[in-house]
Amino acid sequence: DAGVIQSPRHEVTEMGQEVTLRCKPISGHNSLFWYRQTMMRGLELLIYFNNNVPIDDSGMPEDRFSAKMPNASFSTLKIQPSEPRDSAVYFCASSAGTGGRYGYTFGSGTRLTVV
Amino acid sequence: AQSVTQLDSQVPVFEEAPVELRCNYSSSVSVYLFWYVQYPNQGLQLLLKYLSGSTLVKGINGFEAEFNKSQTSFHLRKPSVHISDTAEYFCAVSDFMNYGGSQGNLIFGKGTKLSVKP
Repeated sequence: DAGVIQSPRHEVTEMGQEVTLRCKPISGHNSLFWYRQTMMRGLELLIYFNNNVPIDDSGMPEDRFSAKMPNASFSTLKIQPSEPRDSAVYFCASSAGTGGRYGYTFGSGTRLTVV
Repeated sequence: AQSVTQLDSQVPVFEEAPVELRCNYSSSVSVYLFWYVQYPNQGLQLLLKYLSGSTLVKGINGFEAEFNKSQTSFHLRKPSVHISDTAEYFCAVSDFMNYGGSQGNLIFGKGTKLSVKP
């Protein structure tokens, strides 16, 4: 298994541009999580899906952020328009079930820099 | 509500010395407990987990952790660290209902940066 695959690994964009981050979860996993990691705030849960349905998006910082999961093998996190304060590492993780018993498998992350 | 406290944000230690990274949690129900490791410029990797049974859990790379229900702790230990253990370590907790289902998602601590010096 290739694990959780995120693309791109690095993204540098100008303020105001749209940014789309992509994630392919592990096949058979039915929960998917998007996290953001910064030095100041640590690891923050943005949104999670179960069976492709968004369950909790209370961590999404504002309306500029949106996430979709059109099928079990693909999810996107979009920021439009991007701002310098969105600079962070964004992680996608998947799990075999809801809740913690199965643990999460994390991708390698996308390092976003907004200039 | 659950919470996880990692008492030390940074732990410097010399190579071959023992180390303990502390983790305390709060929860009103039974829990599952995890330790993850994040090496520089990488994602989080599962180090070990406690689901049930023996309170001493062994993980990868020689790490182990002990679940102490009365003290609501899950401290991570290694008897002799290597330079390659330099990383950030995250404790995480998830609660579950007594009927065995798993209700909660993982709640992560703020991490402990372990720095191993030669």
